[in-house]
Amino acid sequence: RKEVEQDPGPFNVPEGATVAFNCTYSNSASQSFFWYRQDCRKEPKLLMSVYSSGNEDGRFTAQLNRASQYISLLIRDSKLSDSATYLCVVTDTGGFKTIFGAGTRLFVKA
Amino acid sequence: GAVVSQHPSWVICKSGTSVKIECRSLDFQATTMFWYRQFPKQSLMLMATSNEGSKATYEQGVEKDKFLINHASLTLSTLTVTSAHPEDSSFYICSAPTGLAGVGSYEQYFGPGTRLTVT
Repeated sequence: RKEVEQDPGPFNVPEGATVAFNCTYSNSASQSFFWYRQDCRKEPKLLMSVYSSGNEDGRFTAQLNRASQYISLLIRDSKLSDSATYLCVVTDTGGFKTIFGAGTRLFVKA
Repeated sequence: GAVVSQHPSWVICKSGTSVKIECRSLDFQATTMFWYRQFPKQSLMLMATSNEGSKATYEQGVEKDKFLINHASLTLSTLTVTSAHPEDSSFYICSAPTGLAGVGSYEQYFGPGTRLTVT
């Protein structure tokens, strides 16, 4: 079983749609959780941290369920510029070493 | 925010030669840096953890004699791909963790990556 698993994708959605990404992790002692965004042929960039209390930043909402070892990302009112690969990221028990999910590709179309 | 640079951004080399990639933290000290490799349409795979003042820690399946890592200072780590072969062609990215994401939570700042093509 992979340490971090994501929806395989790709997701093709029209502008304005709401899209949800799901992620599960295998190590119950994992420390920190993030969503990163990666554009084609570029390095990943932090989108947002994920907390058990939930985290919202504009159109983006992230949620962590430690009991289920499940992380989610919701994008509302999707824009063309949201087209990218979304990476679920988990750090180890020391909070340092980073494990990436395989990523879910999103295509937002006009 | 924290900035990490990489050099070169792309390199083409002949099979059998060695290539050195530099990763620098520009406005903060990084006692630890991470090196990743990403093949097309795949996710980042952690290759090794670079530690300033000590030996690097390699992930399972990564040849330490082929991918030489030197963490020369608190702001510089280098990855040398020795005797490169076409299958080593990939996107190599470094990152450095910072404590800016909160107590015990380390956000990774990534370099822009180095695209290596071995002919």
